[in-house]
Amino acid sequence: GESVGLHLPTLSVQEGDNSIINCAYSNSASDYFIWYKQESGKGPQFIIDIRSNMDKRQGQRVTVLLNKTVKHLSLQIAATQPGDSAVYFCAGEYGQNFVFGPGTRLSVLP
Amino acid sequence: GAGVSQSPSNKVTEKGKDVELRCDPISGHTALYWYRQSLGQGLEFLIYFQGNSAPDKSGLPSDRFSAERTGGSVSTLTIQRTQQEDSAVYLCASSTTFTGTAYEQYFGPGTRLTVT
Repeated sequence: GESVGLHLPTLSVQEGDNSIINCAYSNSASDYFIWYKQESGKGPQFIIDIRSNMDKRQGQRVTVLLNKTVKHLSLQIAATQPGDSAVYFCAGEYGQNFVFGPGTRLSVLP
Repeated sequence: GAGVSQSPSNKVTEKGKDVELRCDPISGHTALYWYRQSLGQGLEFLIYFQGNSAPDKSGLPSDRFSAERTGGSVSTLTIQRTQQEDSAVYLCASSTTFTGTAYEQYFGPGTRLTVT
């Protein structure tokens, strides 16, 4: 089946530094990817999305990069803040459903 | 406006019992999704509805799982003869469209199911 995975299960960064969370996917057929943030005890929250006809998309303090050649997706968070501490999931659309990766837990150190 | 709501927030049940989980999507959202999240794991797609129909049921783990949606709104996920491996957080999400350009799914807070 399809798979979407993350390179690291945990990531710790100093407050104010930039964070980079990576994700790899197995099937080049997906043309749509999403990053979600999930805080403890809450449902996932949409952060940013990107279509396969793009290689970069920017939001507020977040940037998603898509490298279709190596099937790699990354989420960059600028000037990481304590409120960014959460689990981050990438998801790819395959057919008529979404496949989520296992998530990376981001911890922001004071 | 109101977001996606789910009930109950927590459910503890004995092995072998049936449970019903409810999802109230955002008003006007035609697409509704059910996911399962086991402890420390990512989200596992179960089923989605476009309106009242479920074109893709392939994600349901077994025939003990079923879901329905009525009136294009509320959805119920039913698990019959629950097993301990069914213990997880069940998340519901809704979106304005599935086949359009906007896929943003809004998630509910989830129902934590514990099977003892």
